[in-house]
Amino acid sequence: QKEVEQNSGPLSVPEGAIASLNCTYSDRGSQSFFWYRQYSGKSPELIMFIYSNGDKEDGRFTAQLNKASQYVSLLIRDSQPSDSATYLCAVNRVGRLAFGKGNQVVVIP
Amino acid sequence: GAGVSQTPSNKVTEKGKYVELRCDPISGHTALYWYRQSLGQGPEFLIYFQGTGAADDSGLPNDRFFAVRPEGSVSTLKIQRTERGDSAVYLCASSFGTGNTEAFFGQGTRLTVV
Repeated sequence: QKEVEQNSGPLSVPEGAIASLNCTYSDRGSQSFFWYRQYSGKSPELIMFIYSNGDKEDGRFTAQLNKASQYVSLLIRDSQPSDSATYLCAVNRVGRLAFGKGNQVVVIP
Repeated sequence: GAGVSQTPSNKVTEKGKYVELRCDPISGHTALYWYRQSLGQGPEFLIYFQGTGAADDSGLPNDRFFAVRPEGSVSTLKIQRTERGDSAVYLCASSFGTGNTEAFFGQGTRLTVV
């Protein structure tokens, strides 16, 4: 079982719609959770972090954490073409970050 | 500095050669991480330092890989006897500590072994 799983294929969303990304993790003791955005050829850029169960909103982004079910999700509202990127889920596991393989999002104008 | 700095940005080397990749973290950040990323994959953990010591080196693939951080700031990832399979982007990140702290990445070093 992988530490962090992001299984969805590329996600195409119309401009202005909501993009929804999901991530599951295997270590129930994980304490903190991060979403990074990575543009093609660039390094990952932190966009959200969440530590507690529930929702956390930052602008057009909402992170949701459910520790009982071991999943974390990211919602992007009012998607813009500039949101087209790969989104990486990361879980802090005994001091180090473990990453999923990422989900590509394509926002169609 | 303002951000994590990695040098060189690109490195092409011949199979069997030795390479060193450098990472200069954000000032004041005590934790430093090394990852490598292949096309279409997420970053793969290699090693992280808390201060000068390697807190977790479980991700180093074999004994050809070694990393140091002698003064608790700049780190060097060293790869001996490079192989074509070592070709990847090597990413460095730093944070104030481990646990509930955010890590910020450098721009990466693209290593190509020919």
